[in-house]
Amino acid sequence: GQQVMQIPQYQHVQEGEDFTTYCNSSTTLSNIQWYKQRPGGHPVFLIQLVKSGEVKKQKRLTFQFGEAKKNSSLHITATQTTDVGTYFCGGGSNYKLTFGKGTLLTVNP
Amino acid sequence: ETGVTQTPRHLVMGMTNKKSLKCEQHLGHNAMYWYKQSAKKPLELMFVYSLEERVENNSVPSRFSPECPNSSHLFLHLHTLQPEDSALYLCASSQDYAGWGETQYFGPGTRLLVL
Repeated sequence: GQQVMQIPQYQHVQEGEDFTTYCNSSTTLSNIQWYKQRPGGHPVFLIQLVKSGEVKKQKRLTFQFGEAKKNSSLHITATQTTDVGTYFCGGGSNYKLTFGKGTLLTVNP
Repeated sequence: ETGVTQTPRHLVMGMTNKKSLKCEQHLGHNAMYWYKQSAKKPLELMFVYSLEERVENNSVPSRFSPECPNSSHLFLHLHTLQPEDSALYLCASSQDYAGWGETQYFGPGTRLLVL
């Protein structure tokens, strides 16, 4: 079945440093979605990418969808303590989202 | 964020107990989902209901029994669980059940501990 791999599993940064998490699917996706889960919270939808090569920005967050629609990345510029949490990608196809394990981001103030 | 609510938020049960988890969505969505979230594992899709019909059952043990009486409510009935079933159980909803994978709106979850 479809698998979605996400790396790294953990990332610790100093406040102000950049952060990137990567997502790779074993199959071509219809879309890729990104979610953020704060510690003790639940996943909250951030964004959806649909088109091959698509790039979207939300303030300091930049999301990319690969040309082959099998990989994606989330980049945060100049991290802040409010960015702490686990970032999940979800690959959409065959009526479901298949989630990666997530990247836990911690930020040292 | 009160679009999807879940009760109880925390539950401790013995292996011989029977309990139920409840989910309610106030978004007018047509599809509802149960996920299991365990440490160091991806979110695991358990069940999907679309327009009150179960459309997916991902090889979940029979000790978990879902129920969807209407498009706004979803239950997960628990019976003779095992300690390894301890996890965060998340309910989610989406506008529809579509081939491309719809955006999921998650509830706060029920943290379950099985003793």
